[in-house]
Amino acid sequence: GESVGLHLPTLSVQEGDNSIINCAYSNSASDYFIWYKQESGKGPQFIIDIRSNMDKRQGQRVTVLLNKTVKHLSLQIAATQPGDSAVYFCAENYGGATNKLIFGTGTLLAVQP
Amino acid sequence: DAGITQSPRHKVTETGTPVTLRCHQTENHRYMYWYRQDPGHGLRLIHYSYGVKDTDKGEVSDGYSVSRSKTEDFLLTLESATSSQTSVYFCAISETGGTDTQYFGPGTRLTVL
Repeated sequence: GESVGLHLPTLSVQEGDNSIINCAYSNSASDYFIWYKQESGKGPQFIIDIRSNMDKRQGQRVTVLLNKTVKHLSLQIAATQPGDSAVYFCAENYGGATNKLIFGTGTLLAVQP
Repeated sequence: DAGITQSPRHKVTETGTPVTLRCHQTENHRYMYWYRQDPGHGLRLIHYSYGVKDTDKGEVSDGYSVSRSKTEDFLLTLESATSSQTSVYFCAISETGGTDTQYFGPGTRLTVL
């Protein structure tokens, strides 16, 4: 499929457990951050975003935490399900008005039944 | 995939041949982007467009050109394909620039022999 797959950090969790995926971003001037999910053979799918004036944002079963002091972003998935198995990417907006994104290399989440 | 189609979905070509990939959107979004995805690199921006006939370079633009003659279509051309351009190519769209969410197409897998 179109996902990266090789040499990716992998997080293996049991179905029903909570998952935490971490990301370090590079540019202290970035003001917008996004998490994407990519299933095998598909394009990245938007999950949740957060702006730099916030440190936490919640969606349905997902929470994003932003720590600007250490340039760290995390994605928490509650009650992980088999359908959550995918590669997860963080991205930071470094382009201001032009919305240019820098993507991390991704984490493979494997949910064990 | 948010009203985005890419064609072709798969292509095999030979070194030195020209290749054009097409991204078509039905959302009437102003911004369009081309990314490539390779193992170990995540997604990297090639070129983007902020309106008809308005384009600019991303971080990996060498060897690629783009054109946008109408809102719905954004073309990526490899003038003379090289093996290093073997990759999966994704198109994305956003309604505006700034921090607007980017939505991705299904991807094109290109192999240059």
